Amino acid sequence: QKEVEQNSGPLSVPEGAIASLNCTYSDRGSQSFFWYRQYSGKSPELIMSIYSNGDKEDGRFTAQLNKASQYVSLLIRDSQPSDSATYLCAVNINYGQNFVFGPGTRLSVLP
Amino acid sequence: NAGVTQTPKFRILKIGQSMTLQCAQDMNHNYMYWYRQDPGMGLKLIYYSVGAGITDKGEVPNGYNVSRSTTEDFPLRLELAAPSQTSVYFCASSYIKGQGGGQPQHFGDGTRLSIL
Repeated sequence: QKEVEQNSGPLSVPEGAIASLNCTYSDRGSQSFFWYRQYSGKSPELIMSIYSNGDKEDGRFTAQLNKASQYVSLLIRDSQPSDSATYLCAVNINYGQNFVFGPGTRLSVLP
Repeated sequence: NAGVTQTPKFRILKIGQSMTLQCAQDMNHNYMYWYRQDPGMGLKLIYYSVGAGITDKGEVPNGYNVSRSTTEDFPLRLELAAPSQTSVYFCASSYIKGQGGGQPQHFGDGTRLSIL
């Protein structure tokens, strides 16, 4: 059973701080990794995609991938109350055919 | 640009009734997926399709059926609704070429289904 693990939270950070969200996965063959944000009652929306080891930055968001450690993370700089949501980590498995989602980490940014 | 469209948005069913959840995408994606999400939980894969005429079971397929007659449409059928099927259902699509991974999934807005 391919698995994706995340801390369920809630993770609380003050406004303006850096939020760090972590994800580990079990399938060593995974090659595509995604972070989704899901507001309560809404559908998941893509935040970041990462395919290679290292860091990828997009605005206030940075995704970090370490395939050797089977670890992917998301950093949110200058956190805003509007970032309060559940963040889902998703991993492509079975040579790309399927996605496995982690349970999500609930982030609360306090004004 | 519509993306992934799901209908209906809300539905209440009685135990034993049947219904079809509709999903359509206009991005010419080859892969389509159905997930359910129970309150406070992650996404569980019900069925997926790699192209017209080809479907396969996911993690929680019991009680559901799917078909894929066209690239655009991927309906999910509940034959005998049970209270355990009360959930939010999301349809998603993606473009995957060859092996090794693909583009991210795009989600519809979801269907909130209650079985009473």
